[in-house]
Amino acid sequence: EAGVTQSPTHLIKTRGQQATLRCSPISGHTSVYWYQQALGLGLQFLLWYDEGEERNRGNFPPRFSGRQFPNYSSELNVNALELEDSALYLCASSPNRNGRNTEAFFGQGTRLTVV
Amino acid sequence: AQSVTQPDIHITVSEGASLELRCNYSYGATPYLFWYVQSPGQGLQLLLKYFSGDTLVQGIKGFEAEFKRSQSSFNLRKPSVHWSDAAEYFCAVGVLGTASKLTFGTGTRLQVTL
Repeated sequence: EAGVTQSPTHLIKTRGQQATLRCSPISGHTSVYWYQQALGLGLQFLLWYDEGEERNRGNFPPRFSGRQFPNYSSELNVNALELEDSALYLCASSPNRNGRNTEAFFGQGTRLTVV
Repeated sequence: AQSVTQPDIHITVSEGASLELRCNYSYGATPYLFWYVQSPGQGLQLLLKYFSGDTLVQGIKGFEAEFKRSQSSFNLRKPSVHWSDAAEYFCAVGVLGTASKLTFGTGTRLQVTL
């Protein structure tokens, strides 16, 4: 069974540009989570999508946005990139069992570098 | 809001020695607790989880953790460390209904000497 897959592996963008990161969850998982792992800031929850809807977002500005497609894959968009957006962005998926989420399985991440 | 504290930023142990990584959480009810491991530049791999029931949980790679409600702790242990265990370890807490929306500790980097 394939795990959570993220693309691209690495992404280099210029300040002010937009970045799009993609995530395919494990088959059968309906929830997708995005986390940012920035140097010195640890792992921070970004966004949670389930059944195509945004369920929750962390303490990030609106230029961080995303969506979930009917096949449960997800995109994370970061607009007006700033240098401090450089980080490893991790996607995770989990099944939704009777309205409750269980453990999350993580992808390998996308390393975003803003120059 | 929940929080997780991993008091040890960096731990060094000799191969074959025992290991205990500390984790304390803050949450008003019984949380869902997790330990993840991350090798450099990689994603997170789930080692073990606690949802309910037996407070001593077994995980992969010979790891175990014990949930102690009275101490708000969920320490990770391994009786004999292997060089391949060198990595960063994260404790995380999820809450009822959103177990996968995680709050992470700051991580403990484990170095293993031969």
